[in-house]
Amino acid sequence: KAGVTQTPRYLIKTRGQQVTLSCSPISGHRSVSWYQQTPGQGLQFLFEYFSETQRNKGNFPGRFSGRQFSNSRSEMNVSTLELGDSALYLCASSSRDRVTDTQYFGPGTRLTVL
Amino acid sequence: KNQVEQSPQSLIILEGKNCTLQCNYTVSPFSNLRWYKQDTGRGPVSLTIMTFSENTKSNGRYTATLDADTKQSSLHITASQLSDSASYICVVSGVSGGYQKVTFGTGTKLQVIP
Repeated sequence: KAGVTQTPRYLIKTRGQQVTLSCSPISGHRSVSWYQQTPGQGLQFLFEYFSETQRNKGNFPGRFSGRQFSNSRSEMNVSTLELGDSALYLCASSSRDRVTDTQYFGPGTRLTVL
Repeated sequence: KNQVEQSPQSLIILEGKNCTLQCNYTVSPFSNLRWYKQDTGRGPVSLTIMTFSENTKSNGRYTATLDADTKQSSLHITASQLSDSASYICVVSGVSGGYQKVTFGTGTKLQVIP
């Protein structure tokens, strides 16, 4: 079974631009969560989508948004990029049948904002 | 404020030795606690997941314990190997009002040396 895939793996943008990141979950998984990881803040939860609906949301500004498609693939969009948005963005999928279901992480997209 | 504190921040041990990593949390409500291993440049990999009623869970040479009364967890690594060198992250989740709150610790960076 293929793992979680994220595209692109690396991205360089300038301040003010917008960016869209993509995540394809493990086949059969309906839950996709997004996380931001920075050296200073560690891992922080952005949001979770389940069956095309946002189930949970972390404490991030409205510039961060996402969506999930009927095939469970998810996209995350960041508008009006700021230097502080430079981070590793991780996507994780799970079957979400139970709260303790294992989350499987993708390799991440490293975003650099200049 | 919901917090997850991990100690030590970093640790160097000799190959073959055992070690214990600590995680203290103040997250409420509590649903489950997970330990992840993250190799440099890669996404986190789930090691163990424990709910309120579980006080120990093993995964090979990794054994996690949970004391829900004192809100403490530990991850014990037995007979360490060079491949155990990584960051270990404690994550506590709780469900409130139908939404899941996920709080990450800042991690313990473990280096196993020959």
